[in-house]
Amino acid sequence: KAGVTQTPRYLIKTRGQQVTLSCSPISGHRSVSWYQQTPGQGLQFLFEYFSETQRNKGNFPGRFSGRQFSNSRSEMNVSTLELGDSALYLCASSPLKTPSYEQYFGPGTRLTVT
Amino acid sequence: DAKTTQPNSMESNEEEPVHLPCNHSTISGTDYIHWYRQLPSQGPEYVIHGLTSNVNNRMASLAIAEDRKSSTLILHRATLRDAAVYYCILSLFGNEKLTFGTGTRLTIIP
Repeated sequence: KAGVTQTPRYLIKTRGQQVTLSCSPISGHRSVSWYQQTPGQGLQFLFEYFSETQRNKGNFPGRFSGRQFSNSRSEMNVSTLELGDSALYLCASSPLKTPSYEQYFGPGTRLTVT
Repeated sequence: DAKTTQPNSMESNEEEPVHLPCNHSTISGTDYIHWYRQLPSQGPEYVIHGLTSNVNNRMASLAIAEDRKSSTLILHRATLRDAAVYYCILSLFGNEKLTFGTGTRLTIIP
């Protein structure tokens, strides 16, 4: 079974631009979560989608948004990029509706904002 | 979210058992205890989870204290590939959100 895939793997953007990151979950998984990882703040939960609906949201500004498609693929968007948005963005999928037993993480997208 | 406390770092010799402790004194009755690890340059990887009873799988064992205020992840025979940051996480029942702490950086000495 193919794992969680994320595209692109690396991205360089300029402050003020916007960016869209993509995540394809493991086949059959319906829940997709997004995390941001930085050296200073560690791994922080952004949001979780299940059946195209956002079920959970972390404490991030509205510039961070996401969506999930009917095939469970998910995208996250960051508008008006700031230097502090430079991070590794990780996507995770899980097979069960509730509760959280196992989440499978992708390799991440490394975003650099200059 | 209930908080976990882990040592910042630990070292272990290759081929010896490793016991990684985690304190979670404010755990609620429906919180599951999860362990994930993150190898260098990779996303986190699920290791094991439990609720009340000790658990074993092919990767590790999870020993949960009777009062559930602490747990220990046991790697029975450490290899160099086990060098990673290990995270102990409590999840609210029915919630996919994982709140990662700073974890324990495990170094394996050849």
